[in-house]
Amino acid sequence: DSGVTQTPKHLITATGQRVTLRCSPRSGDLSVYWYQQSLDQGLQFLIQYYNGEERAKGNILERFSAQQFPDLHSELNLSSLELGDSALYFCASRDGDTQYFGPGTRLTVL
Amino acid sequence: GIQVEQSPPDLILQEGANSTLRCNFSDSVNNLQWFHQNPWGQLINLFYIPSGTKQNGRLSATTVATERYSLLYISSSQTTDSGVYFCAVYDMRFGAGTRLTVKP
Repeated sequence: DSGVTQTPKHLITATGQRVTLRCSPRSGDLSVYWYQQSLDQGLQFLIQYYNGEERAKGNILERFSAQQFPDLHSELNLSSLELGDSALYFCASRDGDTQYFGPGTRLTVL
Repeated sequence: GIQVEQSPPDLILQEGANSTLRCNFSDSVNNLQWFHQNPWGQLINLFYIPSGTKQNGRLSATTVATERYSLLYISSSQTTDSGVYFCAVYDMRFGAGTRLTVKP
């Protein structure tokens, strides 16, 4: 157990819908990273937050947005879902040199 | 952006064998990590190694930053070593991974 929690574990929804993925970093970690893992694109960095502020942005679509709340948990919002958004979404937090990954949320868009 | 390439893409070993996984990157970096993704999908950090050599049990890693590559060594492999090994630079750019299968 990495100490990073993600909910839900699985999510099945339809095209055009909107979903919210939630992540809680390890106790004391200020950073949250979001990644997407799909068969065709591999592991892609989406966005990073540090203590509530956006720190870095990667290949995040305009239909996707994220935020980190004062209690340091983070939410990734995916809207106007397409079939190609089906993937495993990971969040991670960092303690010094080490990143700790959550178990992921598997999103299936039908 | 920085390109990260891993080789080989697939590796099949008998239990007890040794292996070397390679990660090449296209520009100088000062942040490089190795991860293991187990068959259940969990990603585990193995090493943070922007330069030099580190060892942790049967695993060790070496990064030669001036020559833009990093190596992950697995000795006396076990079936639990199976999975996909990724290198990543700056937390943002991952290689495609090496899928390792260790057979009993």
